[in-house]
Amino acid sequence: QLQLQESSPGLVKPSETLSLTCTVSGGSISSAFYYWGWIRQPPGKGLEWIGSISYSGNTYYKPSLKSRVTISVDTSKNQFSLRLSSVTAADTSVYYCARLGVQGASVHRPVDAFEIWGPGTMVTVSS
Amino acid sequence: EIVLTQSPGTLSLSPGERATLSCRASQSVSSSYVAWYQQKPGQAPRLLIYGASSRATGIPDRFSGSGSGTDFTLTISRLEPEDFAVYYCQQYGSSITFGQGTRLEIK
Repeated sequence: QLQLQESSPGLVKPSETLSLTCTVSGGSISSAFYYWGWIRQPPGKGLEWIGSISYSGNTYYKPSLKSRVTISVDTSKNQFSLRLSSVTAADTSVYYCARLGVQGASVHRPVDAFEIWGPGTMVTVSS
Repeated sequence: EIVLTQSPGTLSLSPGERATLSCRASQSVSSSYVAWYQQKPGQAPRLLIYGASSRATGIPDRFSGSGSGTDFTLTISRLEPEDFAVYYCQQYGSSITFGQGTRLEIK
């Protein structure tokens, strides 16, 4: 059974770069051409998509975050990562990694439903 | 960016009743690329519906989705105690955006 797990940096200082890694287990990140993504949720608020990446490294970002976001993939470690630069208190959120697309679908898209989620990790931006 | 507006903000119902949740898009969503999620406190969202009306794996048939264009609906035919949670719609026809959520609470 496929499982995703976010790393937990916990606390990041304002103006610094937030770095998170998602480790995929129970399956290969390269299989079936799925896309992989990051979503965040500020405390008590709704969900916000950050970006997606294919196993081959093609990336798609939310336009309003694009200047600060880098998503990368390491197939040898079965991981993908998020870097968000110049963070402020507004970036304080629970960050989720997820697999896009539904098992059995004939086509996988960089923007799709999120079928499998990690448990999420809380990141606080504070000095 | 397509803005999704969910209504009502909070829905108070009793177990056994029928729940109808609405999601309206600011412009037409192509190919009915709309999904619905359930989220309980401290947990990640769970995919319920994709493609506006297809149930995800393992989702009970009391959950159903419908709609097209700009208006989409999630219906829970007969509420069970475990269904009380926050529900989000998502569109993935043009980039990805989420609605602000509907809280389904026990009356």
